[in-house]
Amino acid sequence: KAGVTQTPRYLIKTRGQQVTLSCSPISGHRSVSWYQQTPGQGLQFLFEYFSETQRNKGNFPGRFSGRQFSNSRSEMNVSTLELGDSALYLCASSPQGLAGVLPGTQYFGPGTRLTVL
Amino acid sequence: AQKITQTQPGMFVQEKEAVTLDCTYDTSDPSYGLFWYKQPSSGEMIFLIYQGSYDQQNATEGRYSLNFQKARKSANLVISASQLGDSAMYFCAMRPPNTGNQFYFGTGTSLTVIP
Repeated sequence: KAGVTQTPRYLIKTRGQQVTLSCSPISGHRSVSWYQQTPGQGLQFLFEYFSETQRNKGNFPGRFSGRQFSNSRSEMNVSTLELGDSALYLCASSPQGLAGVLPGTQYFGPGTRLTVL
Repeated sequence: AQKITQTQPGMFVQEKEAVTLDCTYDTSDPSYGLFWYKQPSSGEMIFLIYQGSYDQQNATEGRYSLNFQKARKSANLVISASQLGDSAMYFCAMRPPNTGNQFYFGTGTSLTVIP
C-alpha cells in the first residue's frame, strides 16, 4: 500500500497570506489527524477528521481549519499567517474509526514544511 | 491532563550496543495506548512499536522492545544492536481512550549512533 502523502512538501508564504495543505491517507484509512511541530512547542495536535466530520480539535485559534472529503483526503487551511505559524505540519492516518475502541496506530506522512516570512 | 515526559534530550550509543530511551507518562485513565515513533532528519514520523495498557507482555518488534512498567507509568524503548541508521529523534506518545486519534507526544530524544 502507498503511504500517507502530503503536498506540497515545502511552502514559503508571507505574513497575512493564507495557505492550504493537502493530505491523502493510506487507502482504506478513514481517520486523518493533523499535527504542528515546532522546536519550541514540539508536536501539537491540531484536529482529527473521520468520515468528513471533525471529531477532535486541539487548542489552536480559529485561523486553523480543516476538512475531509468523501475519499478521506483532507486539507487544512491557515488564514492570516503569522510568523509563529512556521512549522512542520504532519498528517497522520489511522484505520481506527471508533472512539473507545482499543487505540490504533497512526501512520504519518512526510510533512509540509511551512515558512512564513 | 495527559502528559508525556522524555528526560533525555540527547543520547549517544556505540554501534552494535543496546540503548534505552526513557519515557514516563501521567494519566488517570485505566485504558490507553503507548507508542514510539522515530523521526529521521527527513521529517517523517515512523511507527516503531505499540503497547496497550492491558497488555500482559512487553511489546517487541524486531530490534525494538518496550519495557512497560504500568505501576511506575513508564514505557521505555530498548533498541538492541544499534545501527548507524538508528540515529534520529525518538518520540514517545500516548493515546487516551475516547479521544479519537488524538495523540500526546513527549519532547523527544535525539539518538546518535557512533561507529
